[in-house]
Amino acid sequence: GENVEQHPSTLSVQEGDSAVIKCTYSDSASNYFPWYKQELGKRPQLIIDIRSNVGEKKDQRIAVTLNKTAKHFSLHITETQPEDSAVYFCAASEGFKTIFGAGTRLFVKA
Amino acid sequence: DADVTQTPRNRITKTGKRIMLECSQTKGHDRMYWYRQDPGLGLRLIYYSFDVKDINKGEISDGYSVSRQAQAKFSLSLESAIPNQTALYFCATSDLAGPSGYTDTQYFGPGTRLTVL
Repeated sequence: GENVEQHPSTLSVQEGDSAVIKCTYSDSASNYFPWYKQELGKRPQLIIDIRSNVGEKKDQRIAVTLNKTAKHFSLHITETQPEDSAVYFCAASEGFKTIFGAGTRLFVKA
Repeated sequence: DADVTQTPRNRITKTGKRIMLECSQTKGHDRMYWYRQDPGLGLRLIYYSFDVKDINKGEISDGYSVSRQAQAKFSLSLESAIPNQTALYFCATSDLAGPSGYTDTQYFGPGTRLTVL
């Protein structure tokens, strides 16, 4: 079946450093790629998304890039802060259903 | 604020019992979903519904059933619970027509933590 692979599963960075999370999808029909952040004990919430007709999108300290040819997309967080500590999920949607990656647990050390 | 709510928030039950998890939304979205979250496995789709008359199986529907009672209500049932159904369950909604064009953003409820002994 269709799947989304996400790496790394755990990432630990020093406050102020950058963090990068990478995902690969298998369904070439996917055309919407959201990223969700889940804080401990909370529900996942959208932090940024990108559509297939766009290669890069930025929102303050977070950015997402998409390479449709390689079926890769990545989340970049710059100047990390302790409040960025959470689990991050990538996902790919073709308009009928969304497939999620397994998640990356990000630790930002103060 | 428009929201997605789930009841109960926590439930402990025994093997073989029938369990129903309920989801309600005031977002006015047509699409509703049930996901299961297990450590290291992300969010896996159990069932989804695009309107009251439309029900579709997701990747892990075995052992589960659903009912879409109204546009705003979507229930998940475990007919005979087993221990490996212990997990965190999320309901979600989406609306393809976002203000900026096509989107399938999922809006999640707070989750139901289910333990099957």
